[in-house]
Amino acid sequence: DVKVTQSSRYLVKRTGEKVFLECVQDMDHENMFWYRQDPGLGLRLIYFSYDVKMKEKGDIPEGYSVSREKKERFSLILESASTNQTSMYLCASSLVAGGHNEQFFGPGTRLTVL
Amino acid sequence: AQKITQTQPGMFVQEKEAVTLDCTYDTSDQSYGLFWYKQPSSGEMIFLIYQGSYDEQNATEGRYSLNFQKARKSANLVISASQLGDSAMYFCAMRSYNFNKFYFGSGTKLNVKP
Repeated sequence: DVKVTQSSRYLVKRTGEKVFLECVQDMDHENMFWYRQDPGLGLRLIYFSYDVKMKEKGDIPEGYSVSREKKERFSLILESASTNQTSMYLCASSLVAGGHNEQFFGPGTRLTVL
Repeated sequence: AQKITQTQPGMFVQEKEAVTLDCTYDTSDQSYGLFWYKQPSSGEMIFLIYQGSYDEQNATEGRYSLNFQKARKSANLVISASQLGDSAMYFCAMRSYNFNKFYFGSGTKLNVKP
């Protein structure tokens, strides 16, 4: 069964802390994505990666960085967490572009920054 | 630029009735795919249905069907015989065949009344 897992369902951090969100997929997918979801705004793409060590900025990369050292793992890093980064973070993976290659999502991490 | 528009922030439907969730999209690409996802209150994103831009028939998956009108650039989701478990957020998404990124609408919150 296809699976995307995220390291935490809920996380509470303090302003200024460095935060790591990890995502692992077991489908050998080339593409991995990080989104944040806020009410009324839908899913907004932060970063995505199409191969190991390769990444591209999404629509809202400011304040975030990513790391993909292994194909199955994609990490989102908040260098210095701020209260406006309180949100739901969703990781997803997919095969390469083309055809019926939907994204598979993890369960999400609800991050609160105090 | 790609854009997905869902104009219904919230909808109510009576149990056992059919409901249509609207989605329009904007793209200059000729080859693309349209996806619908369901997000229950638990947070996970569940893939529902896919329509390719060259598919001549509207996609169907059980009680879900996609009313695809290419000239109008609309891809509405129809849920027949609504059930209480259909209460959730629903997201429309699009992906060009040539690119890895997905574009999501802002979502529609569906409430099914008993």
